[in-house]
Amino acid sequence: DAGITQSPRHKVTETGTPVTLRCHQTENHRYMYWYRQDPGHGLRLIHYSYGVKDTDKGEVSDGYSVSRSKTEDFLLTLESATSSQTSVYFCAISDSGQADNEQFFGPGTRLTVL
Amino acid sequence: AQKVTQAQTEISVVEKEDVTLDCVYETRDTTYYLFWYKQPPSGELVFLIRRNSFDEQNEISGRYSWNFQKSTSSFNFTITASQVVDSAVYFCALSEADTGGFKTIFGAGTRLFVKA
Repeated sequence: DAGITQSPRHKVTETGTPVTLRCHQTENHRYMYWYRQDPGHGLRLIHYSYGVKDTDKGEVSDGYSVSRSKTEDFLLTLESATSSQTSVYFCAISDSGQADNEQFFGPGTRLTVL
Repeated sequence: AQKVTQAQTEISVVEKEDVTLDCVYETRDTTYYLFWYKQPPSGELVFLIRRNSFDEQNEISGRYSWNFQKSTSSFNFTITASQVVDSAVYFCALSEADTGGFKTIFGAGTRLFVKA
């Protein structure tokens, strides 16, 4: 199994509070991704990183920011959480930026915004 | 624009039945890749198969088989003699090159229930 951990695994927070989710990998993969999973939508890409300090927006990036100061860590921040951001968040990694590369997923973080 | 449609939201079968999960995709690119991932009740997504747009050969892996047809833009997944352990959500995904790397679009998923 790919060495990917996410923390916290579960979080309940209130509207308007900042939240940071952490993804940590031990595979030394260059590419890291944050997805959210919602019923009826599958997984949607929030942001991704193609190297330390190199990030780009995905399909649903509004309300989210990311940072990657080390190869192994990719942080997702909700500056001011809203109820629409209640979701399951998955981190994924891949070792290349080629479209044929499969992604390896973390265990997910279930976030509830009240 | 890319799009992946998994029209079957939920499927319920009895153990040992065969079941096919449908996946239809849309893309304007000639080079792309199709994937299937499995999400068991534990929650983690597990890679099952990858197929590139130039290879329409069907693939069989044990009880799993995949049928890729470019003419109908479909990449269907069949489980033969289903087992309770096959109960999961299955995602089809389309990946193609994009600025900065690649872009992957997932379908909404099909939840498969296999009853004993």
